[in-house]
Amino acid sequence: GQNIDQPTEMTATEGAIVQINCTYQTSGFNGLFWYQQHAGEAPTFLSYNVLDGLEEKGRFSSFLSRSKGYSYLLLKELQMKDSASYLCAVRDTDYGQNFVFGPGTRLSVLP
Amino acid sequence: GAVVSQHPSWVICKSGTSVKIECRSLDFQATTMFWYRQFPKQSLMLMATSNEGSKATYEQGVEKDKFLINHASLTLSTLTVTSAHPEDSSFYICSARDSPEQYFGPGTRLTVT
Repeated sequence: GQNIDQPTEMTATEGAIVQINCTYQTSGFNGLFWYQQHAGEAPTFLSYNVLDGLEEKGRFSSFLSRSKGYSYLLLKELQMKDSASYLCAVRDTDYGQNFVFGPGTRLSVLP
Repeated sequence: GAVVSQHPSWVICKSGTSVKIECRSLDFQATTMFWYRQFPKQSLMLMATSNEGSKATYEQGVEKDKFLINHASLTLSTLTVTSAHPEDSSFYICSARDSPEQYFGPGTRLTVT
């Protein structure tokens, strides 16, 4: 089966650092992706991990541990515009290379 | 990154009518496109995989006769919601793969009255 878990909601303060966790159980694995989605808009690509370790992209970093089925997205120097839903998605090789999406984490950044 | 467009961005239709949504990859060719549906405060659910030049592959529980998909070229896929009902009201999002990344269109909000 396929299962991806994320916290439903998180709150953080402007300027702070927040870590959004994602755990997954899929029959196949060919990469873990993070997307940002503002309300009423389509998701936009943030980062991609296929090997273990940390990928850094400006204020955003993503970490992957395949043995633990675990990833996190780290957002630094939070800004108000970072208030959005963050979706964790796994590309499942046993699912036709399609994405399996997590439920999303709704992040609220407070002043 | 690559750009995927969708048209229309929103549509209101009466129950029983059909609505067509277009998805285009603007600066790359996509042999495979994906159609998702998203209900409020929920994540994306894959409806079908659209393959250029062949029939779409539908996910379990998605009626292929109700949601008609045509992938006429490497840059265009269309989703037609036939005989729409209020429960079909949702946010429909298409996506195209430019490996390894996958890019999403801006979405189409369908409201069936």
